[in-house]
Amino acid sequence: DVKVTQSSRYLVKRTGEKVFLECVQDMDHENMFWYRQDPGLGLRLIYFSYDVKMKEKGDIPEGYSVSREKKERFSLILESASTNQTSMYLCASSFFHTGKTEAFFGQGTRLTVV
Amino acid sequence: GQQLNQSPQSMFIQEGEDVSMNCTSSSIFNTWLWYKQDPGEGPVLLIALYKAGELTSNGRLTAQFGITRKDSFLNISASIPSDVGIYFCAGPSNTGKLIFGQGTTLQVKP
Repeated sequence: DVKVTQSSRYLVKRTGEKVFLECVQDMDHENMFWYRQDPGLGLRLIYFSYDVKMKEKGDIPEGYSVSREKKERFSLILESASTNQTSMYLCASSFFHTGKTEAFFGQGTRLTVV
Repeated sequence: GQQLNQSPQSMFIQEGEDVSMNCTSSSIFNTWLWYKQDPGEGPVLLIALYKAGELTSNGRLTAQFGITRKDSFLNISASIPSDVGIYFCAGPSNTGKLIFGQGTTLQVKP
């Protein structure tokens, strides 16, 4: 079974704190993604990575950074958490092989910034 | 950029009814993916489609890859209460990013 694991299901952090969200996949996938999900706004891409140490900005990268030092791990960093970053964060990984693509998600991290 | 328009936005149906939802785009996709998200959980892949015209089933779910490659459909037959959730369509962009539709929220009345 494919597995994408996010380090926390629920987090409560204070405004101004530096926050790390960790994601690990065991499928040897090249691509990894961080999305944020808010009611009525669907899934919005924050950053994605297509290889170790490679990253590209998504649609809403402001206030976030990422790190991918190893293929299996993709970290999302909130440099200085703000209340408008309260949201559900979803990590995904995907493969692309012989014209086929599939992506798998972690269970999500619900972050509350107070 | 590439976008996916999913409809309807929400549905409230009676248990036992069939459900249809669709996803359209102004550009061509070579893959269509359908996901279901239970409340408070991450999306789970239901069906993947790779060929225009392809029809694929997964239990009571059936999805089709439109012939024009600009649309896809998901049908759920004989809905049950555990079908409740948000259904997303998705496809890979030219740059490798995954693009998602806005989701269809399904509620089933027992």
